[in-house]
Amino acid sequence: QKEVEQDPGPLSVPEGAIVSLNCTYSNSAFQYFMWYRQYSRKGPELLMYTYSSGNKEDGRFTAQVDKSSKYISLFIRDSQPSDSATYLCAMSEWGGSYIPTFGRGTSLIVHP
Amino acid sequence: DVKVTQSSRYLVKRTGEKVFLECVQDMDHENMFWYRQDPGLGLRLIYFSYDVKMKEKGDIPEGYSVSREKKERFSLILESASTNQTSMYLCASSQYRGDEKLFFGSGTQLSVL
Repeated sequence: QKEVEQDPGPLSVPEGAIVSLNCTYSNSAFQYFMWYRQYSRKGPELLMYTYSSGNKEDGRFTAQVDKSSKYISLFIRDSQPSDSATYLCAMSEWGGSYIPTFGRGTSLIVHP
Repeated sequence: DVKVTQSSRYLVKRTGEKVFLECVQDMDHENMFWYRQDPGLGLRLIYFSYDVKMKEKGDIPEGYSVSREKKERFSLILESASTNQTSMYLCASSQYRGDEKLFFGSGTQLSVL
């Protein structure tokens, strides 16, 4: 079993929908959680960064971490066609290797 | 803004050729990384470096080597390219050891024929 599981999709939604993207993980030592957005034929860019449990909001994006369930989510409100991209979750341990473990990414398509 | 620049966007090489992929970052980051990304397999770490002239193997180092002679530059070398090395190659950097936030370049799509 891979350490980080992420449904590859594609997830297709209409413009304006609320999108929920999720990852599960098995390593309880993960403390740092990130979401990257990757447009087609581009490198990933860091979108959200959270430490430990709880929520973090940035504009239309909310990252949520539930360490008890080993489950993280990224919510996108009022989704736009420009949000169409692949979203990768990533996480790393406190005090261990600082190199993040990535999920395989979820492809999101927001159609007008 | 951090800028990580990869020298080529697209590269076509023949089997057996020696291939150099270059990466430069402009933010004085200590750590640099090389990944490859394949459909269905996600990002896989090839090599990384946390200092000049230092290198560490990642998850899939076979068939690759790296060079870091200057802090800002990290090169990936395919000694004898093979068709199974056709992939998107991504370079990344992070500020210091213990910093989990990676900044990626735009990638090099390498095709080995």
